[in-house]
Amino acid sequence: GAVVSQHPSWVICKSGTSVKIECRSLDFQATTMFWYRQFPKQSLMLMATSNEGSKATYEQGVEKDKFLINHASLTLSTLTVTSAHPEDSSFYICSAFRGTKETQYFGPGTRLLVL
Amino acid sequence: AQSVAQPEDQVNVAEGNPLTVKCTYSVSGNPYLFWYVQYPNRGLQFLLKYITGDNLVKGSYGFEAEFNKSQTSFHLKKPSALVSDSALYFCAVRDRASGSARQLTFGSGTQLTVLP
Repeated sequence: GAVVSQHPSWVICKSGTSVKIECRSLDFQATTMFWYRQFPKQSLMLMATSNEGSKATYEQGVEKDKFLINHASLTLSTLTVTSAHPEDSSFYICSAFRGTKETQYFGPGTRLLVL
Repeated sequence: AQSVAQPEDQVNVAEGNPLTVKCTYSVSGNPYLFWYVQYPNRGLQFLLKYITGDNLVKGSYGFEAEFNKSQTSFHLKKPSALVSDSALYFCAVRDRASGSARQLTFGSGTQLTVLP
């Protein structure tokens, strides 16, 4: 069964609004979670590494003020897309390590459409 | 630096025939290798991994992959394809020495279509 959940599964918003996406690890603690972005028919692009209790580590070219990450607990990380614009429309996926920390498990993804 | 190449954007195979999805990698040290599958509008599902030991790794849904160190390859295989196997497949690598970074690098993906 699923070990990582995301909410919402899809969201449509107006340009200029902010959108929060939640990523939860189910029945395990995740000190580290990852946020990815995927464009249609393309691979996953790592946006940032979310660390429980500390600041996220952002990949080069990802605006940290645009994509706010909060890892408030060992089972929850949130990604907030601030002042969203149509170019932010994408598929956002989170992941976490479970158990021996060799394998990443991915959430089902969140489809964001900014009008 | 670590990288993954999936040389085929698209693979078509007839149902019941064997399938192969190719993957080659590059890491400075020893690799952890993974295969994931993605269905439309869904997240990635873990299929199998190579960490150490036997070079032939068996995973979910009848898939297997063979680690070949000399060719730096980790091709995904299945003896008899099903229409339901049609999906987007990603190969990923992580350098075993990456420590706390633990970031996966993904290939560009291969769209597998199994024809009935």
